[in-house]
Amino acid sequence: SQQGEEDPQALSIQEGENATMNCSYKTSINNLQWYRQNSGRGLVHLILIRSNEREKHSGRLRVTLDTSKKSSSLLITASRAADTASYFCATNTEEETSGSRLTFGEGTQLTVNP
Amino acid sequence: DGGITQSPKYLFRKEGQNVTLSCEQNLNHDAMYWYRQDPGQGLRLIYYSQIVNDFQKGDIAEGYSVSREKKESFPLTVTSAQKNPTAFYLCASSIGGWVTTYEQYFGPGTRLTVT
Repeated sequence: SQQGEEDPQALSIQEGENATMNCSYKTSINNLQWYRQNSGRGLVHLILIRSNEREKHSGRLRVTLDTSKKSSSLLITASRAADTASYFCATNTEEETSGSRLTFGEGTQLTVNP
Repeated sequence: DGGITQSPKYLFRKEGQNVTLSCEQNLNHDAMYWYRQDPGQGLRLIYYSQIVNDFQKGDIAEGYSVSREKKESFPLTVTSAQKNPTAFYLCASSIGGWVTTYEQYFGPGTRLTVT
């Protein structure tokens, strides 16, 4: 099964509302990253949070990490229609053989209605 | 302009033909990656390379091959042995490293359709 699993699979909100997406993973990690993908495009990196960090902010984005629960959340505040996209979490595990590889979850499709 | 380029954007092939997808980066990154994405799903790692002249299989390498003869280039060949090759293929690169990882920079993707 997936190392990273996002919840919910789909989220529809009104412009101005906050959006929260969750990610759970199974094995110990070095870091966890969040990416955004507009339909039919490549992914864009949003935030990287390391295993010894609990919270990071970047503009309207806030990411939390709870290693005891093996989970992370991405909060987008004051959402805009332009935030409509798929959001993926990706983990880099502590396994010696993993090196620089990431394992991606299935993603959350966010729709922000104007 | 620094970044990753993939060509072509759309590719059509007949079943039984091999096809090579191009990926070039001018970010001076050591590590490069190929992912496959099927509709409504996440990314699955096909192959990755942490340094020139070296590469490792990912989770779904069967039916694919790669080479890494130059730092800036990491072409992916989809062979006729790949049973279901129609998908969206994404290339990425990162600073690399053998112990941990950094953010990955993605190309725009190639949509391959095999009929």
